[in-house]
Amino acid sequence: GQNIDQPTEMTATEGAIVQINCTYQTSGFNGLFWYQQHAGEAPTFLSYNVLDGLEEKGRFSSFLSRSKGYSYLLLKELQMKDSASYLCAVLDSNYQLIWGAGTKLIIKP
Amino acid sequence: GAVVSQHPSWVICKSGTSVKIECRSLDFQATTMFWYRQFPKQSLMLMATSNEGSKATYEQGVEKDKFLINHASLTLSTLTVTSAHPEDSSFYICSASPPGDNSPLHFGNGTRLTVT
Repeated sequence: GQNIDQPTEMTATEGAIVQINCTYQTSGFNGLFWYQQHAGEAPTFLSYNVLDGLEEKGRFSSFLSRSKGYSYLLLKELQMKDSASYLCAVLDSNYQLIWGAGTKLIIKP
Repeated sequence: GAVVSQHPSWVICKSGTSVKIECRSLDFQATTMFWYRQFPKQSLMLMATSNEGSKATYEQGVEKDKFLINHASLTLSTLTVTSAHPEDSSFYICSASPPGDNSPLHFGNGTRLTVT
């Protein structure tokens, strides 16, 4: 079966750095997406990785290791507005998106 | 960037009535759109894939006669919840991606449906 695992909830302090991990087992791989979703709102696109390595985009970076079936989203200089759920999703061999359950990130002052 | 518009943002209806939700891709053509449902504190659940000019593909467990999908043009898909019941109350979200196999999905703002 296809499976994506990410922690249910994480807590971090304003101004700090947090890393949200995602591991996956899917039938094929055509890329991994990270989305941010604030409570009561639709998800918004953060990043896309299809090759191994680190993609940096401002305060957010995303890393991929295809051999390990592993990705992480790194958030730096945390702000209160970063409190949200972060969803990991993998595009499988049929170009179907497989979603993780999301990680709820709580930022404390 | 690519924009997906969804309407209405929220709707309250009485049990037994039908509700239509519209999803539009504003600056690109989408041959395929996706409809998701999300219950509180849960992840997105794909309900169906809407295909322009053909029948929608429904996920297992989703009643096609209850959730009617019409994808009449390359920029518009509609989801109609027929004979709504309180258990249909949920957050419904549509999404689409610009042409290209690996283009990211862009989501509408979602529709919060409350059935009383």
